[in-house]
Amino acid sequence: DVVLTQTPSILSATIGQSVSISCRSSQSLLDSDGNTYLYWFLQRPGQSPQRLIYLVSNLGSGVPNRFSGSGSGTDFTLKISGVEAEDLGVYYCMQATHAPYTFGAGTKLELK
Amino acid sequence: VQLVESGGGLVQPGKSLKLSCSASGFTFSSYGMHWIRQAPGKGLDWVAYISSSSGTVYADAVKGRFTISRDNAKNTLYLQLNSLKSEDTAIYYCARGTRDWGQGVMVTVSS
Repeated sequence: DVVLTQTPSILSATIGQSVSISCRSSQSLLDSDGNTYLYWFLQRPGQSPQRLIYLVSNLGSGVPNRFSGSGSGTDFTLKISGVEAEDLGVYYCMQATHAPYTFGAGTKLELK
Repeated sequence: VQLVESGGGLVQPGKSLKLSCSASGFTFSSYGMHWIRQAPGKGLDWVAYISSSSGTVYADAVKGRFTISRDNAKNTLYLQLNSLKSEDTAIYYCARGTRDWGQGVMVTVSS
């Protein structure tokens, strides 16, 4: 199975600070159809997860453009350009290229 | 888009349970659907996927015990959980692709 390693596990930030989260895969996530099925989600406390980014770098509907995704192959990054209070919670990457699909362990974003 | 899970509860180890996910606000038959779970205080754990053409994929931990299915006439997704173990205790979410998620339903496996 594909293992997704997220770093850091905890991220402390101040409001307005830019931060990045890494997601590394144990194998390439480039599918034979040319797509890379790598997603980013945010789960705020007590809520269901919300998709932020799909196919590595595409912003989800209604997601603020301070969020951006990048990467290819096995290395991926989620960047928040100017953290806001509503961004606090746990971030997960997920891959759906290789079955069974898998999630990273999560990165908790908290206020410094 | 609305996804509403139901059917959760407290069940003894070894017993069965069937979860439902009622979908509305989109053409249900056109979308692949996932079940994803989250044990108390833990991260997200992908469980199963069914494509629009009813092809299925399962996590290793549930293969042979859980069955995902869909009824397009009823706009409903199902997850049959058999031979339940304590480690299956979790909130179970249904999701339309990766885009939209339900509020989740709690399954507790305990004697």
